[in-house]
Amino acid sequence: EAGVAQSPRYKIIEKRQSVAFWCNPISGHATLYWYQQILGQGPKLLIQFQNNGVVDDSQLPKDRFSAERLKGVDSTLKIQPAKLEDSAVYLCASSPAGTGIYGYTFGSGTRLTVV
Amino acid sequence: SQKIEQNSEALNIQEGKTATLTCNYTNYSPAYLQWYRQDPGRGPVFLLLIRENEKEKRKERLKVTFDTTLKQSLFHITASQPADSATYLCAMNSGGYQKVTFGTGTKLQVIP
Repeated sequence: EAGVAQSPRYKIIEKRQSVAFWCNPISGHATLYWYQQILGQGPKLLIQFQNNGVVDDSQLPKDRFSAERLKGVDSTLKIQPAKLEDSAVYLCASSPAGTGIYGYTFGSGTRLTVV
Repeated sequence: SQKIEQNSEALNIQEGKTATLTCNYTNYSPAYLQWYRQDPGRGPVFLLLIRENEKEKRKERLKVTFDTTLKQSLFHITASQPADSATYLCAMNSGGYQKVTFGTGTKLQVIP
């Protein structure tokens, strides 16, 4: 089966600019997650979708980050305006069930550098 | 606050030996625990899941144990190979739709 697709692979922007990341999960996976992974740290959940509804966005900096999952399939994560501390890898993952008992399938991520 | 700790120092072992990685947690009651492998520039890859009522799980050369009294999971790779060199992450979930929280990972280097 095809994996989780993410684009772009890399992005360099100046602080205060905006940026968007795209994710296409595995077909049929109801749950989609966006994680932020700062160098040397484990992934931190930003937002979890169940179909096209938000299950958990408690760690999403809502003043600058937004995400949507239209029609319960693809998802877009946006940062506006970006700060230096947003430099990280943004990982998208999906799973068949929201409970995670099947494990997550991750994409390769988008490496964001804010200068 | 909830905390998941993995040894931040890299683990270097000789090829053929058993690698053992540790995951400790505090202020947490995980329903299950997962282990992932992450290679540089790639997303984590799911390896194994163990439930709170399971003591041990095996998959090929991998073995995971889960001790809820010690609040610890051990991840073993037997007959290690250079191809096993990667960062290994543990992650846990309290059940239901609770978010999965990841540790910081331990880098394993298998020396030929």
